Amino acid sequence: GIQVEQSPPDLILQEGANSTLRCNFSDSVNNLQWFHQNPWGQLINLFYIPSGTKQNGRLSATTVATERYSLLYISSSQTTDSGVYFCAEVLWAGSYQLTFGKGTKLSVIP
Amino acid sequence: EPEVTQTPSHQVTQMGQEVILRCVPISNHLYFYWYRQILGQKVEFLVSFYNNEISEKSEIFDDQFSVERPDGSNFTLKIRSTKLEDSAMYFCASSSGAGFVDEQFFGPGTRLTVL
Repeated sequence: GIQVEQSPPDLILQEGANSTLRCNFSDSVNNLQWFHQNPWGQLINLFYIPSGTKQNGRLSATTVATERYSLLYISSSQTTDSGVYFCAEVLWAGSYQLTFGKGTKLSVIP
Repeated sequence: EPEVTQTPSHQVTQMGQEVILRCVPISNHLYFYWYRQILGQKVEFLVSFYNNEISEKSEIFDDQFSVERPDGSNFTLKIRSTKLEDSAMYFCASSSGAGFVDEQFFGPGTRLTVL
């Protein structure tokens, strides 16, 4: 069954546009994190957000734990935002392993 | 800002050789992890480590893999006899353990290529 599902799988944006990435998860939230994987393969921590809303510059994230989803908003996108965005969640009580979604590949074109 | 570091950034090895990937977690963190990502696929959990022992491991983490914290700062992943399918990016992560499940901070990764 669904564990951590991300949508859309691919997204192409014109520079300056806004976007919303979605992450659905199948069980109660223990630890919800968003990452950006840059073209060099590095995973950059964006947000740790088991619930509520956080903002960091042009990025913000919201997790609605009762409805089992999280959203990542990117405003005024820049070419440097390109890459793959992953959400990850600890799915089982007593576990520490993060289960990752398959990611959303974002391409921002000038 | 404290960060997780990993060395080397890229390792090329012959099939059957042993490799050791090294990580320096954030200094006051108590939980340590290894993940891997085969090219084009999602990131997968390998193992977690706490109080000098493995606390959790996945099916991927078979007898060819081992982890060690040889001193107060380093955390290593050893692959005894590498296979072609071990080619992947390997990420180390650490968390403070302040809360039951808290934020994991990832290193920049080691890209392992097995020829």
